[in-house]
Amino acid sequence: GNSVTQMEGPVTLSEEAFLTINCTYTATGYPSLFWYVQYPGEGLQLLLKATKADDKGSNKGFEATYRKETTSFHLEKGSVQVSDSAVYFCALSGNTGNQFYFGTGTSLTVIP
Amino acid sequence: EAQVTQNPRYLITVTGKKLTVTCSQNMNHEYMSWYRQDPGLGLRQIYYSMNVEVTDKGDVPEGYKVSRKEKRNFPLILESPSPNQTSLYFCASSFRGGTGAMGSNQPQHFGDGTRLSIL
Repeated sequence: GNSVTQMEGPVTLSEEAFLTINCTYTATGYPSLFWYVQYPGEGLQLLLKATKADDKGSNKGFEATYRKETTSFHLEKGSVQVSDSAVYFCALSGNTGNQFYFGTGTSLTVIP
Repeated sequence: EAQVTQNPRYLITVTGKKLTVTCSQNMNHEYMSWYRQDPGLGLRQIYYSMNVEVTDKGDVPEGYKVSRKEKRNFPLILESPSPNQTSLYFCASSFRGGTGAMGSNQPQHFGDGTRLSIL
């Protein structure tokens, strides 16, 4: 079946530090992969996506590369800001594109 | 403003008392979906709908019903709520479901959530 495994949190970083949040997946076929971000009290917002192997998604300084050989989609940012404090979810869509599978979420706190 | 609106935002109720959580989107999206969010489990999909009168089960449909009589609305119905359905619920919509360029790479727009407590 389909599943997503995310790095356990919480993660606390100082401002301008480098961020990596690991995500690996299990899926049949060729899923699309996503990172969503959830700010306190809000719903999720799409951060970036990749729809095929070797695609790199990027947005707001965040990047993630779809690695089929390692079944991974790690999220990275070179220099985090306090405003990046949120919960980050890795997700995939199944073969039909109708069902979505989310990881457990990783809470990030950035301190000044 | 493009948005997904859920109501109520908070509800405390008792076991067995039927309740409905409404979801409405103003973006003319075909695809809509319901999720529950629980600590340590992330988001799990309950039901989804590809279009009017087309609904299907997600990963955790037991104890829930949905309907899609109009494109903009996708209510979640708990006929006989139980304490294990205490959770944070999110409705989401996207332009279209399915695969391909116009399909699953479409971003989902989420509502702000409904926190249900069932005593």
